Amino acid sequence: EAQVTQNPRYLITVTGKKLTVTCSQNMNHEYMSWYRQDPGLGLRQIYYSMNVEVTDKGDVPEGYKVSRKEKRNFPLILESPSPNQTSLYFCASSLVSNQPQHFGDGTRLSIL
Amino acid sequence: AQKVTQAQTEISVVEKEDVTLDCVYETRDTTYYLFWYKQPPSGELVFLIRRNSFDEQNEISGRYSWNFQKSTSSFNFTITASQVVDSAVYFCALSDAFSGGYNKLIFGAGTRLAVHP
Repeated sequence: EAQVTQNPRYLITVTGKKLTVTCSQNMNHEYMSWYRQDPGLGLRQIYYSMNVEVTDKGDVPEGYKVSRKEKRNFPLILESPSPNQTSLYFCASSLVSNQPQHFGDGTRLSIL
Repeated sequence: AQKVTQAQTEISVVEKEDVTLDCVYETRDTTYYLFWYKQPPSGELVFLIRRNSFDEQNEISGRYSWNFQKSTSSFNFTITASQVVDSAVYFCALSDAFSGGYNKLIFGAGTRLAVHP
């Protein structure tokens, strides 16, 4: 089954404790992206990747890092999480950037 | 600059009513793509439609239809004879060449549709 898998689905943690949200897709897609969803703001793009080793900032990249060492994986790293990063996060992938994106089920992060 | 405006924050209708969700976009590009996604209460995001700027034909898919008007920079979504299962948050989104070569996707704030029996 074609899918984008995110882990964990839920996480409560404390300020400053490094965390990684994993994202994996099994569709051999070149393009992957991370979004955060906040009430009243819709989805905002954090980082995207056009292919292996090619990443770039979206609209809200501060406080986040990403890497794309393999085509299928695109982890989101919060080196020193802060409460303003409490949000619902989605990973997505598509064949290329202007194609419809397949979204993961989301990761709800709470930073205390 | 890119921008997507969904002015309707929440809409409430009774089953079988028709409902239109508005989407107004801003872009400096002549080539761009517009999308609609649905987010049901379960939380996942479901792709509904993609339209490129050169295709102004309206689209119909069952009870769903989309009206793309470049003259007013709008890409509105109509549900005919709404059903309770249509209850969801609907997002309109835009990507263009000017901002990141189609790599950036800008979402509107979303419209929450509640369909009551």
